[in-house]
This record gives sequence, C-alpha cells and structure tokens, in this order.
Amino acid sequence: LAKTTQPISMDSYEGQEVNITCSHNNIATNDYITWYQQFPSQGPRFIIQGYKTKVTNEVASLFIPADRKSSTLSLPRVSLSDTAVYYCLVGGLGNQGGKLIFGQGTELSVKP
Amino acid sequence: KAGVTQTPRYLIKTRGQQVTLSCSPISGHRSVSWYQQTPGQGLQFLFEYFSETQRNKGNFPGRFSGRQFSNSRSEMNVSTLELGDSALYLCASRLTEKNYGYTFGSGTRLTVV
Repeated sequence: LAKTTQPISMDSYEGQEVNITCSHNNIATNDYITWYQQFPSQGPRFIIQGYKTKVTNEVASLFIPADRKSSTLSLPRVSLSDTAVYYCLVGGLGNQGGKLIFGQGTELSVKP
Repeated sequence: KAGVTQTPRYLIKTRGQQVTLSCSPISGHRSVSWYQQTPGQGLQFLFEYFSETQRNKGNFPGRFSGRQFSNSRSEMNVSTLELGDSALYLCASRLTEKNYGYTFGSGTRLTVV
C-alpha cells in the first residue's frame, strides 16, 4: 500500500473551513483514497472515499488532482466537535485491502 | 443496525498472563480485522479473517493470535503478556474481502501491570 504524508497538526477556529492535504506519490492505478476521523479512545470512523476529481458528502469534500499524487480533505465550517485526528489512507480492493496502513495522522484542534 | 461490538471495553492484566478479546462484526459482514493502537507506534495491523480463515497478517510475534467463528465473530488472544502490550485494540469489519468500507468498533483498552 502507498505511503502517505500529512501534517502532524493543524489549528483552526469554529466556523472556518479546514483543508488537510495528504501526499501519496506512489499511489497505484487501482488505489482508492480514504479518510478516517478518530476521537480519543474510539475507533476510526470513515469520512469519505474517492478515486479521482471531487467527491462530496454531508460531512466533507475530497479533492483529488489529475495526477492523484495528493488529495485534500475539506471540512466546511468546523465546530469544536471536529477536533480529532484525521488519517489519510490509500489502497486497493481485494485481499490487500485488508491491511490498512495508517500514518501518523493530522491532529486537528478547533478553538472557539 | 448494530455496529461493531468489542468486549470487554477495559481490561487490566498482569505480566505473564494471557487475555482474550472479542469482536462481533456488523451483521452480514464476513471480514474482521484487528489493530493495535499505542501512542508510540500508532495504529498497526495485526491480522484479518474472512470466512474463518486468516487472510492477512501484520508484523507481530506469535504471542498474538486470533480466530473467527462460523457466525463471523472473532476473538484475539495474547499470551504471556508484556508491559508493552498495553494498548487500545481495535476491531474492524467489512462486508467482504473485496469491499473497502471498514467499520471500526470502540476498542478494548488493555492495561498490563
């Protein structure tokens, strides 16, 4: 599975838009990009997944450029409850998909 | 629809003992994976089971083992516990081995003293 690089931490204020960028230079053709959110002492929670261009759901948007070597998770109008660690993962379907490789993640702190 | 259920939620064991953790996947999910999370090493993959067969294994010593039952429930066992085994152990399930949508449980917090 491709290795990912994200900022270790980010600070924001309530109501702002937060963009977290993840680099994955060695992404393979059949790899998808998935983002998880984790609160302390809880399991990671799936946020969004995409393959190319832009994906949007009720929680976030995911922007993927044409070369797919990076991706940006966009959280609109964050609140205090969005304070968490965000993980970017890349991987494909099939048997290898069973082995998620988590990086250090980005610790997002939202302040009032 | 119930989520992934892990029991117990908290556990304290003594060095040298063994421990068994349990995971009930989402109904209908046939794949169960286990992860260890520590402050120093982050989230690390232990193993994955699908239809009672281990399909993938991480880089952990043989003291860590698991199994899956016919109803897809899974157990993880750690023998001869060491202080360094103190961690949050997370279980994740997915529909099939060809599905990339994982749902994690809340984990079991194991403390070895």
